[in-house]
Amino acid sequence: QKEVEQNSGPLSVPEGAIASLNCTYSDRVSQSFFWYRQYSGKSPELIMSIYSNGDKEDGRFTAQLNKASQYVSLLIRDSQPSDSATYLCAVNPTFSGNTGKLIFGQGTTLQVKP
Amino acid sequence: GEEVAQTPKHLVRGEGQKAKLYCPPIKGHSYVFWYQQVLKNEFKFLISFQNENVFDETGMPKERFSAKCLPNSPCSLEIQATKLEDSAVYFCASSQSIAGGNTIYFGEGSWLTVV
Repeated sequence: QKEVEQNSGPLSVPEGAIASLNCTYSDRVSQSFFWYRQYSGKSPELIMSIYSNGDKEDGRFTAQLNKASQYVSLLIRDSQPSDSATYLCAVNPTFSGNTGKLIFGQGTTLQVKP
Repeated sequence: GEEVAQTPKHLVRGEGQKAKLYCPPIKGHSYVFWYQQVLKNEFKFLISFQNENVFDETGMPKERFSAKCLPNSPCSLEIQATKLEDSAVYFCASSQSIAGGNTIYFGEGSWLTVV
């Protein structure tokens, strides 16, 4: 079992729809969770971080964390073609102490069709 | 703005040659991280530094890979005797701290192609 798992997609949604991206993780004691957006050939860009159970909203983005079920999701409302990218879920594992390293999922490719 | 200016952006090496990549962290950042991204977006953590000291090297291959962060110099990642499977994008990232809520800033990556 991979430490962080995502469906690689592609996930295709029409413009204006809600895109829902999901991620599960194996380290039960992880405390920090991140969503990065990566355009092709570019560096990952942090769009959301979440540390406690529940929802966290920032503009069109909402991150949801459920530690009991070990999943974290990202919702993108009113999806735009410019949101088309790969979305990487990353977890900061704490089983060996916090060293700041991130474990990434394989990424979900999102395509927003005009 | 905040930027980790990795160099070179592209590097082509023949099998068996050495490759060296550079990463100047953002001024004021104490932590530097190296990641390797191969096909299908598989990011792999390699090593991290706290200033000049190795902080976490649990992801570094045992052979051929080495890294340094020396005072007044950009951090570096060196691969001796490159192999085809070393072809990847190598991302460097830096951060002020590793406390919760701290942002890690990624560079644009160095694309290594081994032929």
